Amino acid sequence: DAKTTQPNSMESNEEEPVHLPCNHSTISGTDYIHWYRQLPSQGPEYVIHGLTSNVNNRMASLAIAEDRKSSTLILHRATLRDAAVYYCILRARGGSNYKLTFGKGTLLTVNP
Amino acid sequence: EAGVAQSPRYKIIEKRQSVAFWCNPISGHATLYWYQQILGQGPKLLIQFQNNGVVDDSQLPKDRFSAERLKGVDSTLKIQPAKLEDSAVYLCASSSGGRGTTDTQYFGPGTRLTVL
Repeated sequence: DAKTTQPNSMESNEEEPVHLPCNHSTISGTDYIHWYRQLPSQGPEYVIHGLTSNVNNRMASLAIAEDRKSSTLILHRATLRDAAVYYCILRARGGSNYKLTFGKGTLLTVNP
Repeated sequence: EAGVAQSPRYKIIEKRQSVAFWCNPISGHATLYWYQQILGQGPKLLIQFQNNGVVDDSQLPKDRFSAERLKGVDSTLKIQPAKLEDSAVYLCASSSGGRGTTDTQYFGPGTRLTVL
């Protein structure tokens, strides 16, 4: 599976924007970039995904580099509830199995 | 819409004992996943079902772990016998199983297993 690299941890202040980077230099042409997050003591939850173009939804924005070797998850105004581990995942195609392979992710701390 | 349900939420057992976890996916979801999450790491896929058939069990330690999905709905994951290194959170997830770009996985709250 293609691999992603994320910082172990990042810190932000409440109501400020947060940019969470992800490197994926071995991404293939058919890999989608997915982001999930895991709040404390909960299972992961879907945040956003994209292929080539930047994407926006109610939770976040995803900015994808032109060469697709990196991407950035943008939280426009961090809240205390956004404190979580954020996982950047390349969704690999393998037969009928669209599996997700999680790394260690980035632990985001939001300061009040 | 009800989410993915798992039980029990917590379980403490002695090594060499057996344990079983139960998962009820979101209604209508064809695909069900079991993940193992060791403290400080991301979830690791153990097994994936499409309806009641196994799609991927390449990382399931088959000498001690087993899983089934009866009638393509609920699923159980069993460990027999348990080892100390099995201490982890066991997460169940489900998805609609479509071949689209999303096929978002919805996770349950997990079962925290401690093996003493």
